[in-house]
Amino acid sequence: DQQVKQNSPSLSVQEGRISILNCDYTNSMFDYFLWYKKYPAEGPTFLISISSIKDKNEDGRFTVFLNKSAKHLSLHIVPSQPGDSAVYFCAANALGGANSKLTFGKGITLSVRP
Amino acid sequence: DAGVTQSPTHLIKTRGQQVTLRCSPKSGHDTVSWYQQALGQGPQFIFQYYEEEERQRGNFPDRFSGHQFPNYSSELNVNALLLGDSALYLCASSLSGGLAGTDTQYFGPGTRLTVL
Repeated sequence: DQQVKQNSPSLSVQEGRISILNCDYTNSMFDYFLWYKKYPAEGPTFLISISSIKDKNEDGRFTVFLNKSAKHLSLHIVPSQPGDSAVYFCAANALGGANSKLTFGKGITLSVRP
Repeated sequence: DAGVTQSPTHLIKTRGQQVTLRCSPKSGHDTVSWYQQALGQGPQFIFQYYEEEERQRGNFPDRFSGHQFPNYSSELNVNALLLGDSALYLCASSLSGGLAGTDTQYFGPGTRLTVL
């Protein structure tokens, strides 16, 4: 039973354009959401997070949007750069903080074409 | 400031053997979580250690056990290895009781375990 779903396994965008990565969840107890980026042979790197009390969080080129009623979040990368090519994982947890058990999606492979 | 480190990088074992993986948390962190990432999947939570005790546990059998030392470093032990235990094992560290936003889990590079 996948509680965090990343239904698109891959995404390809042109350099300079916007990348939109989507994530859906089923567990209503989730109240904190994170995005991690992973390069081959490295561990996941924290990108950005959002609490369920917000609907948007922005950090430089990265913005995460949360739609609680739809149980959907998305990561926007603007403008996309070739160095953004990696696997992106959506993760969620309950209990009001990032410290507790994270539940991950399967990941989306983003390719940014020069 | 050293990040999360894990050893060894790669490991090959045979079915039925036992393995120990090691993790040193990021400086200042006191909590260590372990995850298993199978090929093509996202990381799956195994357990979390805080104050040298297991605080949370995921859906993994008792063959998976761990330990946390007074210096906050941690070990993951897997007994009676199965072929299906082949995966990337990730360690993540965080700070319990920190301010919101400071308790994010930071991951190490992982240990690639192959069971033959």
